[in-house]
Amino acid sequence: AQSVTQLDSHVSVSEGTPVLLRCNYSSSYSPSLFWYVQHPNKGLQLLLKYTSAATLVKGINGFEAEFKKSETSFHLTKPSAHMSDAAEYFCVVNARSNDYKLSFGAGTTVTVRA
Amino acid sequence: DTEVTQTPKHLVMGMTNKKSLKCEQHMGHRAMYWYKQKAKKPPELMFVYSYEKLSINESVPSRFSPECPNSSLLNLHLHALQPEDSALYLCASTRQGLLTNEKLFFGSGTQLSVL
Repeated sequence: AQSVTQLDSHVSVSEGTPVLLRCNYSSSYSPSLFWYVQHPNKGLQLLLKYTSAATLVKGINGFEAEFKKSETSFHLTKPSAHMSDAAEYFCVVNARSNDYKLSFGAGTTVTVRA
Repeated sequence: DTEVTQTPKHLVMGMTNKKSLKCEQHMGHRAMYWYKQKAKKPPELMFVYSYEKLSINESVPSRFSPECPNSSLLNLHLHALQPEDSALYLCASTRQGLLTNEKLFFGSGTQLSVL
């Protein structure tokens, strides 16, 4: 079985300050983990993914995430928020098994204040 | 071309109407997906076609009927929908078949309203 919990439903930051989006997962297997972003009225876009290589994963638009097995976490960070980062963010997990199904977190809404 | 294109962008239909959603990709991807997304919720998987064969049906009501005429095209036929079916319908594709550690390429979706 697998599941993912996004610890914050809403995060508000000022432009130019760091962003932290928290994600915890549970999985019976070594997971693949993803962060997707969705801007209003758009589809989802992959920010980054972890598939058992380096634990610090760099993605697009200055985002990065660190896989911590001991804490079962995959938190997403960005050093300096931009207005264009205002969007919905989903943490997604897949257990490496025959289960085809991805598990999506409930999402975190990010607002950026000028 | 690295896009998944969905048409129409918006659709309003009555409960007795028949309509279709269309999805196209020209990236040579071999798996295509339909997701349903309600407002402020994550996407929910509906169907998966892998190598043009229906591989997954997540117990979707028969008023939704998917079709994959060729490797680039995916349709979703709608008939006798209910107001609770109003949602954003997203199409996605992956390069290989049904593998779950691959990047999903999403279209922008069709915003469906059922009156």
